[in-house]
Amino acid sequence: DAGITQSPRYKITETGRQVTLMCHQTWSHSYMFWYRQDLGHGLRLIYYSAAADITDKGEVPDGYVVSRSKTENFPLTLESATRSQTSVYFCASTQGVNTEAFFGQGTRLTVV
Amino acid sequence: DAKTTQPTSMDCAEGRAANLPCNHSTISGNEYVYWYRQIHSQGPQYIIHGLKNNETNEMASLIITEDRKSSTLILPHATLRDTAVYYCIASRLGSARQLTFGSGTQLTVLP
Repeated sequence: DAGITQSPRYKITETGRQVTLMCHQTWSHSYMFWYRQDLGHGLRLIYYSAAADITDKGEVPDGYVVSRSKTENFPLTLESATRSQTSVYFCASTQGVNTEAFFGQGTRLTVV
Repeated sequence: DAKTTQPTSMDCAEGRAANLPCNHSTISGNEYVYWYRQIHSQGPQYIIHGLKNNETNEMASLIITEDRKSSTLILPHATLRDTAVYYCIASRLGSARQLTFGSGTQLTVLP
């Protein structure tokens, strides 16, 4: 199916474990983004990517790692999960020039 | 990117027009105004964007003042499904960090 999909939709993990959230888009959009959303905050940018093999930090990158070996995939890895990383994570993509961004449905991550 | 200011919340009667204001007094000449909305627990959804001319699409109209320091998103006939948080964003065209979300306006459409 065309679109942007995130997996898993829900994840519970333990403190200290590594966890990877997946994001896949079918449009070959150049730009991809990862946001987190917490109660009382808007969406905060974690990392973004302008193209394959090009990534850069956003507002809150600490504790996260990203990669983008293929245009369509942009996984987000929490190397050692902490309770403060309990959040809803959204992935987005945009072609980048005067176009709208498309968001996935989110991954709700709970770190216990 | 310029900072935007929006009211925290607004109510609107179903079937009436919803007018959501946004202040972006420090916007620069190459920054567009984007509007997104987020219905509870879903990913944000693009609504409309513009530079200096008023814009209209099937979802909404965007009115930007001549000095570009503020704008208004208009939902012409609000329905209960329009209840959502609406985000106004000022962003440079083509910027990789173009989507910086603030707190938005919680619009509640009342029956």
